[in-house]
Amino acid sequence: GQNIDQPTEMTATEGAIVQINCTYQTSGFNGLFWYQQHAGEAPTFLSYNVLDGLEEKGRFSSFLSRSKGYSYLLLKELQMKDSASYLCAGRDSNYQLIWGAGTKLIIKP
Amino acid sequence: SQTIHQWPATLVQPVGSPLSLECTVEGTSNPNLYWYRQAAGRGLQLLFYSVGIGQISSEVPQNLSASRPQDRQFILSSKKLLLSDSGFYLCAWSVRGSEWGPLHFGNGTRLTVT
Repeated sequence: GQNIDQPTEMTATEGAIVQINCTYQTSGFNGLFWYQQHAGEAPTFLSYNVLDGLEEKGRFSSFLSRSKGYSYLLLKELQMKDSASYLCAGRDSNYQLIWGAGTKLIIKP
Repeated sequence: SQTIHQWPATLVQPVGSPLSLECTVEGTSNPNLYWYRQAAGRGLQLLFYSVGIGQISSEVPQNLSASRPQDRQFILSSKKLLLSDSGFYLCAWSVRGSEWGPLHFGNGTRLTVT
């Protein structure tokens, strides 16, 4: 079966760095997405990895290892507004997205 | 720029009543369109997707249906709502022919069936 696993909840301190891990099992693989979702709002696109390695976008970076079926989202210089759920999604051979349940990130001052 | 509109934002409906949620996309042509449901603590569940007018693929058998009467309009319907239909419904679009591209979501509809 297809599955995306990520931690349910994480807590971090304002100004610090946090890494949110995601492991995936999909039928075929056509990329790994990260989305941010604030409570009661729609998910917004953060990053996309299809090749191994690190993609950096400002304070956010995303890493992919296809051989390990593993990705992480790295958030630096955490701000209170980064408190949100972070969704990991893998795209399978039919180009459909398989979604994780999301990681709720709590930022403390 | 492209925008996606979804309404209503919140809805409270009794069991057995009908449902109609509407979604429209502006600023792009021939988009792929999607309806998702998000239950608390669970991943997004794909309900329907469409690659063109009148073309609907259903991912999960249920009492919901979808229609695409116009290129940029996607409607989610039910004839009789069940308690289990409560949830957060999200419409999304992606660029047709760009299978690698991300999905872009509307603001969602919070449906409570009582």
